[in-house]
Amino acid sequence: SYELTQPLSVSVALGQTATIACGGNNIASKNVHWYQQKPGQAPILLIYRDNIRPSGIPERFSGSNSGDTATLTIGRVQVGDEADYYCQVWDHTYAFGPGTKVTVL
Amino acid sequence: QVQLVDSGGGVVQPGGSLRLSCVASGFDFKDYAMHWVRQSPGGGPEWVAFISYDGKDKNYAASVKGRFTISRDYSRNSLYLQMDSLRPDDTAVYYCARGEMAFDFWGQGTLVTVSS
Repeated sequence: SYELTQPLSVSVALGQTATIACGGNNIASKNVHWYQQKPGQAPILLIYRDNIRPSGIPERFSGSNSGDTATLTIGRVQVGDEADYYCQVWDHTYAFGPGTKVTVL
Repeated sequence: QVQLVDSGGGVVQPGGSLRLSCVASGFDFKDYAMHWVRQSPGGGPEWVAFISYDGKDKNYAASVKGRFTISRDYSRNSLYLQMDSLRPDDTAVYYCARGEMAFDFWGQGTLVTVSS
């Protein structure tokens, strides 16, 4: 099965930029999707196909994918961005990364 | 607006069965593939099962294959997950989700606890 890696946690100062990496073998050849999950809530889709925002997702959220790393970038971080973030790909099955907890300082 | 409402969770003994339901509204149910995704306490999401928009294709995670069955009823705009031979490691919140490669809408989840 396809393995995805993510940092366990990322800390970022209020108003600064957070970057969350999602690693996988030649992940650039796959479509990467990103989800945000707050405690007690279902995940919501933030980014699909590497860098496309669904309707209603702020422009502060962006994605990129190159080589062995896909990246979610959160600009002008707000307190409300504190959450767990998961990357996901399809590779003969649906694989999720282990998740990254974002803390706003 | 798109809404998915999950139900049917509860406490069940190991070896027991449970049937989860998901009622869809706000979109044309027959046009979309659907999934079940679960999340164990403190863990990340884990894909469980897929059913194509027309119900002809189904796929399962290796961990549930042969024990779980996904189905859909177009007349009721509903998705189901029949879970048999349940094990303690099936304990999780189960979500229905819409989509093909990505999951663009999720239900609120229903908790399944497998314990004696």
